[in-house]
Amino acid sequence: NAGVTQTPKFQVLKTGQSMTLQCAQDMNHEYMSWYRQDPGMGLRLIHYSVGAGITDQGEVPNGYNVSRSTTEDFPLRLLSAAPSQTSVYFCASEPGQGFGEQFFGPGTRLTVL
Amino acid sequence: GENVEQHPSTLSVQEGDSAVIKCTYSDSASNYFPWYKQELGKRPQLIIDIRSNVGEKKDQRIAVTLNKTAKHFSLHITETQPEDSAVYFCAPNYGGSQGNLIFGKGTKLSVKP
Repeated sequence: NAGVTQTPKFQVLKTGQSMTLQCAQDMNHEYMSWYRQDPGMGLRLIHYSVGAGITDQGEVPNGYNVSRSTTEDFPLRLLSAAPSQTSVYFCASEPGQGFGEQFFGPGTRLTVL
Repeated sequence: GENVEQHPSTLSVQEGDSAVIKCTYSDSASNYFPWYKQELGKRPQLIIDIRSNVGEKKDQRIAVTLNKTAKHFSLHITETQPEDSAVYFCAPNYGGSQGNLIFGKGTKLSVKP
């Protein structure tokens, strides 16, 4: 199993540009989520999904969209990038309904100029 | 919602000493208490967890203790080694809402040889 994979590993955007961060898992996990990690702030939940076709907002959803058309994939879209979205983004999955161990992807380091 | 605090934010110990990190939470409905380790530039990974019906759990040099009455749980690392140097996060999980997954801000542990 590849586990949780994320692409790209690094990305530089200009303010106002849009892009999609990709996340995929091959463990047949129902629960998937996106976090952002900023220095001194820990991990903050952006959006999550408890299964295909179902998504919901986390702690910091503004400026981001998600969709879950398949169990495997959970892309995160930045609609109009802002410097405040400069961060490291982690995707995670969990085999149940979100109440157990989170398996994290390797992360995407995003810089918005 | 859940309010999570970790103490201390930084901890420096000599190799061979013990380290203790404490996590306090506010939601008495929390029932899953994990600790994650994140090495520099890597993804967070679960190192130990405990459920609310258990007071203590050990795995070799690491242990987690839970005090539900006082609403805190602690990570204990004995005989610390340089490879224990990392940032540690707690993430008490309220089973009633998949979106209520709040990570502590992290504790940076440095083990000096």
